[in-house]
Amino acid sequence: QVQLVQSGAEVKKPGASVKVSCKASGYTFTSDQMHWVRQAPGQGLEWMGIINPSSGSTTYAQKLQGRVTMTRDTSTSTVYMVLNSLRSEDTAVYYCAKGLIVAVAWGQGTLVTVSS
Amino acid sequence: EIVLAQSPGTLSLSPGERATLSCRASQSVSSTYLAWYQQKPGQAPRLLIYGASSRATGIPDRFSGSGSGADFTLTISRLEPEDVAVYYCQHYGNSPPEHTFGQGTKLEIK
Repeated sequence: QVQLVQSGAEVKKPGASVKVSCKASGYTFTSDQMHWVRQAPGQGLEWMGIINPSSGSTTYAQKLQGRVTMTRDTSTSTVYMVLNSLRSEDTAVYYCAKGLIVAVAWGQGTLVTVSS
Repeated sequence: EIVLAQSPGTLSLSPGERATLSCRASQSVSSTYLAWYQQKPGQAPRLLIYGASSRATGIPDRFSGSGSGADFTLTISRLEPEDVAVYYCQHYGNSPPEHTFGQGTKLEIK
């Protein structure tokens, strides 16, 4: 079955960067796109961007342009999300989610806490 | 940019009742690109409905979606205690590709 396993929780200081990984299994890694979605404490879902694991092409939410980078490693079926210049409002649970039009499978989430 | 407005913000009903959740888009959208997700406390979201009215794999037939244009509805018939969750509608825009989520409806069971 499809599984998306994300890296563990992170605590970062303001201005730092964070890298979250999402390892896929149970399907052909390059056959479907991967989104990143985040959720601040007690808030709703915010779409961050999408990566095509086959080509590596990306599209980012306008709000995060210039601060977020999504990459993939086809040899390990893993996608990565790097968020730079962290601020307190970036504190959230970050999810990877498989699919294009809809997110049919989700990772377990990675809590990123930004605090001085 | 499409904006999705969900109502009500919170819905409190008794077991066995019917829940009706609304999602209104800021402009007409293709029903192909409208989906609903369920997020239980402490869990990742789960796909319920895609294409406005098709149930995802393993979703009970108590859940149904309908609507077109700018108005969409998620209906949960015969509420069960396990249905306590926040429900989000979502739209996929394909030029460029992006996802938009509604702000969510919290469903409470009395």
